[in-house]
This record gives sequence, structure tokens and C-alpha cells, in this order.
Amino acid sequence: EIVMTQSPATLSVSPGERATLSCRASQSVSSNLAWYQQKPGQAPRLLISGASTRATGIPARFTGSGSGTEFTLTISSLQSEDFAVYYCQQYNNWPSTFGQGTKVEIK
Amino acid sequence: QVQLNQWGAGLLKPSETLSLTCAVYGGSFSAYYWSWIRQSPGKGLEWIGEITSRGNTKYDPSLKSRLTMSVDTSKNQFSLKLNSVTAADTAVFYCARGGRLSNLFDSWGQGTPVTVSS
Repeated sequence: EIVMTQSPATLSVSPGERATLSCRASQSVSSNLAWYQQKPGQAPRLLISGASTRATGIPARFTGSGSGTEFTLTISSLQSEDFAVYYCQQYNNWPSTFGQGTKVEIK
Repeated sequence: QVQLNQWGAGLLKPSETLSLTCAVYGGSFSAYYWSWIRQSPGKGLEWIGEITSRGNTKYDPSLKSRLTMSVDTSKNQFSLKLNSVTAADTAVFYCARGGRLSNLFDSWGQGTPVTVSS
């Protein structure tokens, strides 16, 4: 199965600053890459699919990019509600697999 | 807007059977595939398996021998049974809606914490 590796494990950012999260696949997943946001006690929420397409209702400050094996999620100006854990997921190959997550915390 | 509501026993002893059910409200039940995903501190998010409204299933190979999924289209519900549980099965279990063409999960249940302990 494809292994998804996220970095860093924890990212400390001040409100209003930019956050850049990385996700690497052990083999090409084309653009079949999704990003999810998870807050404590809640289920993951789909943010981005197809590597760069925001889900319904997701603010424009969330931007996804990349293809093949290297992907990035950028949050342009962190708001208080953005502090959470972010997961990438490949759905190009069966079984679908997730990264271990990046926690974005307040600096 | 689709909503998924799940329930089931949260505390089990080793060797018992885990049973969870997920009810789907809103949207088309037949147009999607329905998955179970679990999350544990040690293994993170793991896709467990999926079922269609016709009852076709696909399971993670590592769980296939212990796993059964079923569907009740009259109630727009689907269920999971995992037998012979061990402490390694302790996790939060989620039901989720996926696409026909991809395991892209756009709606999730609230999660059920499951603990396996003697």
C-alpha cells in the first residue's frame, strides 16, 4: 500500500501568519490527494480534493497544490478556527491511505 | 445536506464482537459507497472497508477474516461487525460517505470511541 508521510509533525504559527504543510506519497498518486481538517472531539472534515479543489464552504485561504508524490497545503492567514490537525489522504490506489497528520498550533 | 449518525457498544472484552450502525439522513443512499474508518493513536486513520447499497463489500485485507458489513436500504443504514476483538482494535470508529469512483470522504459520522479491555 502507499505510505503517506506528512511534515512537520507540529507547526507553531502565530494568528495571521502563513502555514505550509507538506505531504509526500511513497509512489505517484497523480492528483488523487485530499486534505482533511480535524478538531478535538470531531470527525475529520474534507477541505480539498483533487489536490487543489476546495470543498463546498471552505474559505479561499486554504490552497492545495502538487501532483505525483509531493503535495502542499497552504493556509494563507491563520485564523483562530484553523488551529487543528490536518491529514492528507491518497485515493488513487486501493486501499486509500492517510498521512499521520500535522498539528497546527498557536505560537 | 447529508448527515450520518452512528451508534454501538463502546466497551468490549477481548474476543467479543464489535457492532456499529450508521444511519444516513438526506441525500441519495444508493448513489454512494459507505465506509468505516477507524482512528487510533498508534495507527492514525485507517480505512476499514466499504459497502454499496446493493450489499457489495470491499474490506481491508488485514481485517477481512474478522469483518462483516451489511446494509439495510429500507432504513438507509449500514453496519459493521468485527469479531474476536483485541486491545489493538481500540480506536474511534467513524462511518463516512465515499464516492463510487474514489474513496474520497465528504461526510462523516460523529465517531464512536471503542475500548477493548478485560
